[in-house]
Amino acid sequence: KAGVTQTPRYLIKTRGQQVTLSCSPISGHRSVSWYQQTPGQGLQFLFEYFSETQRNKGNFPGRFSGRQFSNSRSEMNVSTLELGDSALYLCASSYQTGTGELFFGEGSRLTVL
Amino acid sequence: GQQVMQIPQYQHVQEGEDFTTYCNSSTTLSNIQWYKQRPGGHPVFLIQLVKSGEVKKQKRLTFQFGEAKKNSSLHITATQTTDVGTYFCAGRNYGGSQGNLIFGKGTKLSVKP
Repeated sequence: KAGVTQTPRYLIKTRGQQVTLSCSPISGHRSVSWYQQTPGQGLQFLFEYFSETQRNKGNFPGRFSGRQFSNSRSEMNVSTLELGDSALYLCASSYQTGTGELFFGEGSRLTVL
Repeated sequence: GQQVMQIPQYQHVQEGEDFTTYCNSSTTLSNIQWYKQRPGGHPVFLIQLVKSGEVKKQKRLTFQFGEAKKNSSLHITATQTTDVGTYFCAGRNYGGSQGNLIFGKGTKLSVKP
């Protein structure tokens, strides 16, 4: 069974640019959550999608957005990048929402210069 | 809002010594999960505890959920170099979606051979 796939794995952007990250969940999983991981703040919840609907959103500015497609694949977008957006962005999938373990992808490491 | 505090932030041990990390929530949890992230890797699910006072063991790892369902601990007996990594607890509120899974900031374990 293939795991959670995130692309791209590494990317470098400059301030003001935007970025789109992609996540393909484990087959059959309908819930996709996104987390931002930084050394100082740990794992911070961005948002969760279940069956193409955003179920919950963390305390991030509106520059952070996401969506989920009918095949459960998800994308997140960050517009007008700031230096502080440099982080590892992790996607996690689960079969259901609100219960069970999360299966994390390898992450997309974003560096903003 | 709900907070999940985890201590210590760092722990350095000699191989063969025991290790414990503690997790405390400001609210009563429906369940708590533990994850391990190896250096350069992504979080991997270890276990979920649901019942008050529950204790579960996985080889040298012992997980405990407090009677009030507001705290938890992970104890590793006779650490090995393969135990190196960051251990996260993640507490879930009653009801809701994955957004209610709040991660602690983790305990980074290093093991000196």
